[in-house]
Amino acid sequence: DADVTQTPRNRITKTGKRIMLECSQTKGHDRMYWYRQDPGLGLRLIYYSFDVKDINKGEISDGYSVSRQAQAKFSLSLESAIPNQTALYFCATSDSLGRAYNEQFFGPGTRLTVL
Amino acid sequence: QKEVEQNSGPLSVPEGAIASLNCTYSDRGSQSFFWYRQYSGKSPELIMSIYSNGDKEDGRFTAQLNKASQYVSLLIRDSQPSDSATYLCAVNDSGGYQKVTFGIGTKLQVIP
Repeated sequence: DADVTQTPRNRITKTGKRIMLECSQTKGHDRMYWYRQDPGLGLRLIYYSFDVKDINKGEISDGYSVSRQAQAKFSLSLESAIPNQTALYFCATSDSLGRAYNEQFFGPGTRLTVL
Repeated sequence: QKEVEQNSGPLSVPEGAIASLNCTYSDRGSQSFFWYRQYSGKSPELIMSIYSNGDKEDGRFTAQLNKASQYVSLLIRDSQPSDSATYLCAVNDSGGYQKVTFGIGTKLQVIP
C-alpha cells in the first residue's frame, strides 16, 4: 500500500469551480506540503504544515487554501479555479525527528486541468 | 530569494558511462542536500541525502558536497537506460522554518 495517497489522480474542471485535492499519509510524519509542478518551472511550494495547528504559506499561495484535518490528512482547495492553475500537484511529507527532517516523500500526484 | 540552479539538459550519456549532474545553491546556511529522481509523469523519489562535505556513496550513486563552493553533484556510475529521468536537486532553507527549495531538474538520457 502507498504511504502517501492523493485523490483524485486526474481532474478536469471549468473556470470558476471550487476544487479540493486530498492527501493522506500512513507514514506517521508530522510535516506535510503541497507543491505544484509546471514544465520549466520545477516544483513550487504552495503551503506547508509542520503540525495540525501550524500552517504556512509557500511561495505561490495566492488562489489556494489548505486544511490540516488531522496529522495524516492535508487538503488543498482552489476556491475559484482559473486556467493558469492547470498543473501537476504533489503532496509530500517529512518527519521532524532526527537529522532527516527535510527528506520528503511524495504522493503520486494529481493532474489538474482547468478549462 | 533562495535559489537552486541546475542545467535543465538534456544530458545524454552512453550506456555504461558515468553521468555527472551538477547543482549550485545560493543559501550559505544550508545544511541538508538531496537528490530526487523523477520519471516522466511520476512523482519525485528521494535517492540520496548528504549533509557533510565530501562524498557519499550508495550503490552506483555518489553525491558530492562542497559547502565552500556552494556546489553539490550526483554521479551515476555504469549508467543504464532505466536511469533516464529528471534529477532534482533540493536544498534546505536556513531560515526559521526549514523548508526545501528544489531546482528545476536535469533531464538525463542514457543511450543504449
